[in-house]
Amino acid sequence: TQLLEQSPQFLSIQEGENLTVYCNSSSVFSSLQWYRQEPGEGPVLLVTVVTGGEVKKLKRLTFQFGDARKDSSLHITAAQPGDTGLYLCAGETETGFQKLVFGTGTRLLVSP
Amino acid sequence: GAGVSQTPSNKVTEKGKYVELRCDPISGHTALYWYRQSLGQGPEFLIYFQGTGAADDSGLPNDRFFAVRPEGSVSTLKIQRTERGDSAVYLCASSAGTGGNEQFFGPGTRLTVL
Repeated sequence: TQLLEQSPQFLSIQEGENLTVYCNSSSVFSSLQWYRQEPGEGPVLLVTVVTGGEVKKLKRLTFQFGDARKDSSLHITAAQPGDTGLYLCAGETETGFQKLVFGTGTRLLVSP
Repeated sequence: GAGVSQTPSNKVTEKGKYVELRCDPISGHTALYWYRQSLGQGPEFLIYFQGTGAADDSGLPNDRFFAVRPEGSVSTLKIQRTERGDSAVYLCASSAGTGGNEQFFGPGTRLTVL
């Protein structure tokens, strides 16, 4: 069974702080995606990383895929209350996004 | 355009009852996925359709769970003899097809089995 472990499980910070969320597995994935999910809604895709060592930036969010394609990180700079939500990583088990393996999730709360 | 819709948004049933959960994918999307999300967890894959056929149903937990997509559009997830452990949010997603297309998720159906 392929598992994706995320850490921390819960993070409560003040507006303006920086944070990093980690997503780790013993399995190799062909690509890895990061989602954000708000209460009562489905996950929304933030980014997809494909190449080992790849770094992608989305405004204040920086995503990195590990060299061995087993792990990934999400770094948020100067967090804002609007960043509050559940962050999920998901690995593509085989080419074509046919079946995603989701991580355990990191719940982020950013207070003003 | 309209996104993925799911009905009902909430379903409360008693143990042992039969339930059907409906998913309306984005128009034109050929791929459809069902996931189950338990409280405090990430979504767990259940089944994937490409067109009318179930291309991968390896995530269905047991034979009480069944899903159909008879015309390649709307899908129904059917659960027989519900158990309390089936309580979760059931998410549906659709994509334009295979080959790396983004999955768009619906808001989910929250199922509570009493």
